[in-house]
Amino acid sequence: KQEVTQIPAALSVPEGENLVLNCSFTDSAIYNLQWFRQDPGKGLTSLLLIQSSQREQTSGRLNASLDKSSGRSTLYIAASQPGDSATYLCAVSFSGGSNYKLTFGKGTLLTVNP
Amino acid sequence: DAGVTQSPTHLIKTRGQQVTLRCSPISGHKSVSWYQQVLGQGPQFIFQYYEKEERGRGNFPDRFSARQFPNYSSELNVNALLLGDSALYLCASSCVQGDDCGATNEKLFFGSGTQLSVL
Repeated sequence: KQEVTQIPAALSVPEGENLVLNCSFTDSAIYNLQWFRQDPGKGLTSLLLIQSSQREQTSGRLNASLDKSSGRSTLYIAASQPGDSATYLCAVSFSGGSNYKLTFGKGTLLTVNP
Repeated sequence: DAGVTQSPTHLIKTRGQQVTLRCSPISGHKSVSWYQQVLGQGPQFIFQYYEKEERGRGNFPDRFSARQFPNYSSELNVNALLLGDSALYLCASSCVQGDDCGATNEKLFFGSGTQLSVL
């Protein structure tokens, strides 16, 4: 069964700290991996998309890495701010299905304290 | 440019009723996907439609159905509602590579969702 797991389920850090969110997936045959942000009761905002052939993507203070062989991805957030508080979701598009069918983890609830 | 729009934002139904949720994709996007997100869980894939045809279906019962219209908007229908259908229903649109909307990857753009409560 193709599954995505995120650790930790929740994380609380002081403002300014650098942090890492972890994502693991059970099948290395993937099209891509995406990281999303979700604010309470809201939809998802795409942060970064890493294609199967890529190792990492960067956007501002965010950096996502992909290691297909080990089935892992990390999202690194530098110099965290209270506005970064949200749930972060990792989603994988596994090969053999639609490129647009995503399998999500349960998310990591991040709280950045001022 | 308008993003993905969903209506209604909130809906309350009782068990056994039927519900229709609506989604308008970003202009130029021909692919629409539906996801169900139960509280505390990640979204689960329900359907994907492209060019008015079903291109993918998740592990949901036949009570769930969808369609896509010529203008690429979409409806999700759920019959015989159960308490367990209470969830946030998310619609996402995508620009498929090769279509005339400038896609460079399979990025999904999500709407704000419809919060369905079944009593």
